[in-house]
Amino acid sequence: EAQVTQNPRYLITVTGKKLTVTCSQNMNHEYMSWYRQDPGLGLRQIYYSMNVEVTDKGDVPEGYKVSRKEKRNFPLILESPSPNQTSLYFCASSSKQGAVLAQHFGDGTRLSIL
Amino acid sequence: AQSVAQPEDQVKVAEGNPLTVKCTYSVSGNPYLFWYVQYPNRGLQFLLKYITGDNLVKGSYGFEAEFNKSQTSFHLKKPSALVSDSALYFCAVRDGKIASNTGKLIFGQGTTLQVKP
Repeated sequence: EAQVTQNPRYLITVTGKKLTVTCSQNMNHEYMSWYRQDPGLGLRQIYYSMNVEVTDKGDVPEGYKVSRKEKRNFPLILESPSPNQTSLYFCASSSKQGAVLAQHFGDGTRLSIL
Repeated sequence: AQSVAQPEDQVKVAEGNPLTVKCTYSVSGNPYLFWYVQYPNRGLQFLLKYITGDNLVKGSYGFEAEFNKSQTSFHLKKPSALVSDSALYFCAVRDGKIASNTGKLIFGQGTTLQVKP
């Protein structure tokens, strides 16, 4: 089954404690992206990757890091989380023709930073 | 700058009645438009898209959307709502002028659809 898998689904942690949210897709997609969803703001792109070893900033990259060492994986790293990063996070992927094709989304990771 | 607006935070309709969820957009080039639906504790699911061609686009679960270039709108519609349609709906746009490999989507803020029995 084609899917985008995020882990963990839920995490409560404290300010400053490094965390990583993993994202894996099994569709051999070149393009992957991270979004955060906040009430009244819709989804905003954090980082994206066009292919292995190619990453770029989205609209709200501050406080986040990503890596793309393998095609299937695109982890989101919060080196020093802060309460304003409490949010619902989604990973998405699509093929190289992503402009005209729909993106596939994971089920989300709800992060609470205390 | 690209933007998407969903003017209604919430839409309430009775089951069996037609529904409309509104979306307007702003892009510099030709728009690529999408609707996604989000059920509780789930990711976004693709409903339909407009890239080119017929202004009326049909999608999943009986939904359709009408592209109106002069009004820069892409409203989501369904002739007869079901209680199971209750969910959060997002409109999204991609600017066709931008290189196709950026993949970036601009999302509206979302509209909660509530269908009452």
